[in-house]
Parts: sequence; C-alpha cells; structure tokens
Amino acid sequence: DAKTTQPTSMDCAEGRAANLPCNHSTISGNEYVYWYRQIHSQGPQYIIHGLKNNETNEMASLIITEDRKSSTLILPHATLRDTAVYYCIVRVLLNYGGATNKLIFGTGTLLAVQP
Amino acid sequence: IAGITQAPTSQILAAGRRMTLRCTQDMRHNAMYWYRQDLGLGLRLIHYSNTAGTTGKGEVPDGYSVSRANTDDFPLTLASAVPSQTSVYFCASSDTLRGSPLHFGNGTRLTVT
Repeated sequence: DAKTTQPTSMDCAEGRAANLPCNHSTISGNEYVYWYRQIHSQGPQYIIHGLKNNETNEMASLIITEDRKSSTLILPHATLRDTAVYYCIVRVLLNYGGATNKLIFGTGTLLAVQP
Repeated sequence: IAGITQAPTSQILAAGRRMTLRCTQDMRHNAMYWYRQDLGLGLRLIHYSNTAGTTGKGEVPDGYSVSRANTDDFPLTLASAVPSQTSVYFCASSDTLRGSPLHFGNGTRLTVT
C-alpha cells in the first residue's frame, strides 16, 4: 500500500474552511484515498473516500489532484467539534472486500479548531 | 443504533493473566478487525476476519489470538498478558462491498501491570 504524508498539526478558526493536505506520491492506479478522523477517546470515524474524481458528502469534500499524488480534505465550515486527528489512507480495493478493506493508519494530522 | 459494542470499557490486568476483549456488531457485516492504538504509533492492525470461520494476521499479531464463530462476535484474547500490551484496543467491522468503510467501536483501554 502507498505511504501517506500529512502535517503533524494544523489550526483553523471556527467557521472557516479547514483544508487538510495529504501526499501520496507512490499511489497506484487502483488505490483509493480514504479519510477518517478520531475525536479524543472515541473510535475512528469514516469521513469520505475517492479514487480520482472529487467527492463531496454531508461531512466534507475530497479534492484529488489530476496526477493523484496528493489530496486535500475540506471541512467547509469548521466547528469546535471538528477538533480531532485526521487520517489519510490509501488502499487497494478488489472486488471482494474483507481483507482488502483492512486499513493501515499513519499518525495523522491533529486539527485544532480555535474559537 | 448500537453498531459496534466493545467490553469492557477499561481494564487493569496483572501480567501473565489471560484476558478476552469482547466485540459485537449488529450491522451484519462480514468483515471484522482488531486494532491497537499507542501514542506516537497510530492505529495498528492486529487481526482481521473476512467472514465467519476465517481469520488473518495483521501488522502486530504476536501475543494475540482471535476467533470468529459467528458473524456478530469477534473476541480478542491475550493468553498471557505482558506490559507492552498496554494500549487502547479498537474493534471495527465493514461490509464486503467494494469501498465499504470501516465502522469502529469506542475502544477498550487495557493496562497490564
């Protein structure tokens, strides 16, 4: 699986957009980009994933560069409750899930939303 | 909606003792996973199961065993606990459909003294 590189920490003002970068320069053509977050003392929470097209859901947007070597998770209007560690993960998905869904987590980015 | 239930929430265990961490899901997911989380090391996969009756080793399987007798339950056993197994343990499950995300429990905090 491709390795990812994320900043250790970032700050964001409440109400502003939070843009979290992730580098995955060795990503393969069949590897997806996943984002999870972990709020203190809770289990990781799935946010969004994508292959090459930009994706948006009720939580966030995912922007993947054309060469797929990097991506950005965007929280459009950050709140204090968005303070968490955000993990960017790349993973191959085959037709059969199970073992191919096991995710290898890095150390993530600690996003601190400031009032 | 319960999702993933882990028990106990926390435990202090003497070294050398046997301990089973329980994990139950009510989403009928085929795949289940155990991760441990340690400061500075992130989450590391211990064992996983694609479907009932099968299991596989993750990144750090030594000292742990799992079983998957049915779809809902995936217990993790420490046969003889050691202090290096002090950690927060997370259980997760996922559907086996392409791209299905993992759903995590809220963890078990284990301290081995």
